[in-house]
Amino acid sequence: QKEVEQNSGPLSVPEGAIASLNCTYSDRVSQSFFWYRQYSGKSPELIMSIYSNGDKEDGRFTAQLNKASQYVSLLIRDSQPSDSATYLCAVNVANAGKSTFGDGTTLTVKP
Amino acid sequence: GAVVSQHPSRVICKSGTSVKIECRSLDFQATTMFWYRQFPKQSLMLMATSNEGSKATYEQGVEKDKFLINHASLTLSTLTVTSAHPEDSSFYICSARDGSIAQETQYFGPGTRLLVL
Repeated sequence: QKEVEQNSGPLSVPEGAIASLNCTYSDRVSQSFFWYRQYSGKSPELIMSIYSNGDKEDGRFTAQLNKASQYVSLLIRDSQPSDSATYLCAVNVANAGKSTFGDGTTLTVKP
Repeated sequence: GAVVSQHPSRVICKSGTSVKIECRSLDFQATTMFWYRQFPKQSLMLMATSNEGSKATYEQGVEKDKFLINHASLTLSTLTVTSAHPEDSSFYICSARDGSIAQETQYFGPGTRLLVL
């Protein structure tokens, strides 16, 4: 079992819809959770970080964390074609010194 | 916001030569920097973790004598690919962690695309 698992997709949604991206992790002592977006041929860029259970909203993005169920999700409201990218989930265990990344979910938003 | 630069952005070299890639944190001090490699349509692969003033910690399967990492200051880490071969052609990305804040957010550089002929 991978430490951080994501559905590879591709996930396809129509423009204006809500895109839901999910991530599960195996280490119960994980403390910090991050979502990155990576456009084709580019490096990852940070979208959201979340540290406590519940929802965290930033513009059209909402991160949701449920530590009891060991999952973190990213919702993208009013999806735009420019949101088409690979979304990477990253998890930090305290004092581990590094992040563990999932393999990413590829999202396509169709006009 | 936190900015990380990499230089060069793209390099083409002949087989057998060495290539140095620089990673700089521009507006914060990076106590820890990370080096990743990514082949086309594949996942990010962590190569090594570099802490300022100490030896890098390499991931399993990464040759430390081939991929030399130096983190001599809080704003600069370098990766040298020694005696590069065509199979080393890849997208090399660094990231840096801001040592002044508790959260362990990594900020990525723009990446360096290496092509070995």
